[in-house]
Amino acid sequence: SQKIEQNSEALNIQEGKTATLTCNYTNYSPAYLQWYRQDPGRGPVFLLLIRENEKEKRKERLKVTFDTTLKQSLFHITASQPADSATYLCALVQSDYKLSFGAGTTVTVRA
Amino acid sequence: DADVTQTPRNRITKTGKRIMLECSQTKGHDRMYWYRQDPGLGLQLIYYSFDVKDINKGEISDGYSVSRQAQAKFSLSLESAIPNQTALYFCATSDSQGGDTQYFGPGTRLTVL
Repeated sequence: SQKIEQNSEALNIQEGKTATLTCNYTNYSPAYLQWYRQDPGRGPVFLLLIRENEKEKRKERLKVTFDTTLKQSLFHITASQPADSATYLCALVQSDYKLSFGAGTTVTVRA
Repeated sequence: DADVTQTPRNRITKTGKRIMLECSQTKGHDRMYWYRQDPGLGLQLIYYSFDVKDINKGEISDGYSVSRQAQAKFSLSLESAIPNQTALYFCATSDSQGGDTQYFGPGTRLTVL
């Protein structure tokens, strides 16, 4: 069966450190992968998209990697700040353009 | 004004009642989606529409129906609500030319007693 797994544990880190989140998938052939941020009680907000032929994408303090052999994406928040505290969702996009979401990883950054 | 709006934002209803959740967008996108989110689970796709005449079932469409009244409006109905439909419901839109980046509404918290 198809499955998307994100870090099962919530992530608690000290301000200034790098947070690394994982997204592993099975039985998908995604054309590309997206990362979203979700704050409590709000809708997800798009952060980054990476295509299957791209290894790495950066946006400000965010970096995403995509390894189609390992079937894994890593999401990094460098120089983390308390304002980065949120739940981060990965989503796979297949050729039919529907998104399949992981359950998310909750990140808490301590000042 | 928000680009994607949902009404109502909160709703408490009883088992067996018919409920309609509405979604409107001003982004001019052709694609619209309904998801539900339960604690500890990912967003699950209920229905999606790629244009006004196109309606498709998602992963969990049983017990739900939709109507795409116009490009900007997509409503979700629960014909006879049951308690396990208690969840947070999100509407989203995307542009077929934009890599399918999805823009979400603020959500509707539905409780079925």
